[in-house]
Amino acid sequence: GAVVSQHPSRVICKSGTSVKIECRSLDFQATTMFWYRQFPKQSLMLMATSNEGSKATYEQGVEKDKFLINHASLTLSTLTVTSAHPEDSSFYICSAISHGGSYSYEQYFGPGTRLTVT
Amino acid sequence: QQQVKQSPQSLIVQKGGISIINCAYENTAFDYFPWYQQFPGKGPALLIAIRPDVSEKKEGRFTISFNKSAKQFSLHIMDSQPGDSATYFCAARGHFGKGTSLLVTP
Repeated sequence: GAVVSQHPSRVICKSGTSVKIECRSLDFQATTMFWYRQFPKQSLMLMATSNEGSKATYEQGVEKDKFLINHASLTLSTLTVTSAHPEDSSFYICSAISHGGSYSYEQYFGPGTRLTVT
Repeated sequence: QQQVKQSPQSLIVQKGGISIINCAYENTAFDYFPWYQQFPGKGPALLIAIRPDVSEKKEGRFTISFNKSAKQFSLHIMDSQPGDSATYFCAARGHFGKGTSLLVTP
């Protein structure tokens, strides 16, 4: 199946700094990518959907100025957590599909990034 | 509004038994219904998925049953094994159910 990678797998940063997480589709072109966050023993919460070359669509309650998403190419999307605070500590997971704009196709998930803000 | 409702929250099954997890959705426009398996510290992995033009799909020990009129679909794991112990999520339109923690005891 299709492979999605994330980097870094773990990151620890100090409160007030910014952190960038990369999501790459390794063997297919991802016209749409999704970013999720997951708290321990909880479900995945969809944060935003991004289509290559256009602005991301954020879910209700997600601060777009705090969680900056860039989908600059068909194989790369980045999530930048700006001015991170301890409450931003979470497991962030990206996923990608290879057909634009539709949820009717398989989502391929990255392995996740564990962010800890001290 | 929760798009996808999943039950039960947790499930304990003996080895060799059948695990059944249920999911209900709201939007009749949904047209793809996957189940994901997630182990601790890992991203979800697609287990099996179904489209609404069929009522059942089987892959090995895993079966999805789909009831379009009731807007429900379920995952059946036959001959459950300890290695199946994980969290299972149903999803639709990118939104996930709350998950079911399955424990298969030896």
